[in-house]
Amino acid sequence: DAGITQSPRHKVTETGTPVTLRCHQTENHRYMYWYRQDPGHGLRLIHYSYGVKDTDKGEVSDGYSVSRSKTEDFLLTLESATSSQTSVYFCAISRMGNTEAFFGQGTRLTVV
Amino acid sequence: KNEVEQSPQNLTAQEGEFITINCSYSVGISALHWLQQHPGGGIVSLFMLSSGKKKHGRLIATINIQEKHSSLHITASHPRDSAVYICAVRLDYGGSQGNLIFGKGTKLSVKP
Repeated sequence: DAGITQSPRHKVTETGTPVTLRCHQTENHRYMYWYRQDPGHGLRLIHYSYGVKDTDKGEVSDGYSVSRSKTEDFLLTLESATSSQTSVYFCAISRMGNTEAFFGQGTRLTVV
Repeated sequence: KNEVEQSPQNLTAQEGEFITINCSYSVGISALHWLQQHPGGGIVSLFMLSSGKKKHGRLIATINIQEKHSSLHITASHPRDSAVYICAVRLDYGGSQGNLIFGKGTKLSVKP
């Protein structure tokens, strides 16, 4: 299995609080992605990174920010969590933009 | 509009049956991925293909670029194959930066 670790795996937080999810990889892959998975939808891209300090928005980026200060870590921050951000979040990595993607185990976030 | 459509949405089979899951897409792609997700689990990459056919154990994936269609076949199905199978396509224009568009998944249940 590709070396991808997401933390935390589960989190319950209150509306309005900031939350940061971490994705850590040991594969030295250039590309990292954050997706959310919700019932009735396919996985949807939140943000992605194509290198250290190089990030861009995805389809559902509103309310989220990201940072990548090191190759191995990609952080997803909810500045002020809302109930609509209750979801399962997946991190993925790929060596290049057109190569196979590998996914983490997911983080289940509940905003109450 | 859904750019990636999977069928069926749900599939129940008896152990040993031959299974086919279909994926149709409406955009130009550079590659198509088949992924597997077990209940409560992470997402595992099964195949990435851009033409023809690939085989791994009891799994076979085919793609017809002209018809914009791919199939995932499982031979001699087993209860451990029970999972959600997800089709994802990688767009073929330079600005995609490797982004994937996902289908909603096919939930497979194999009964003993």
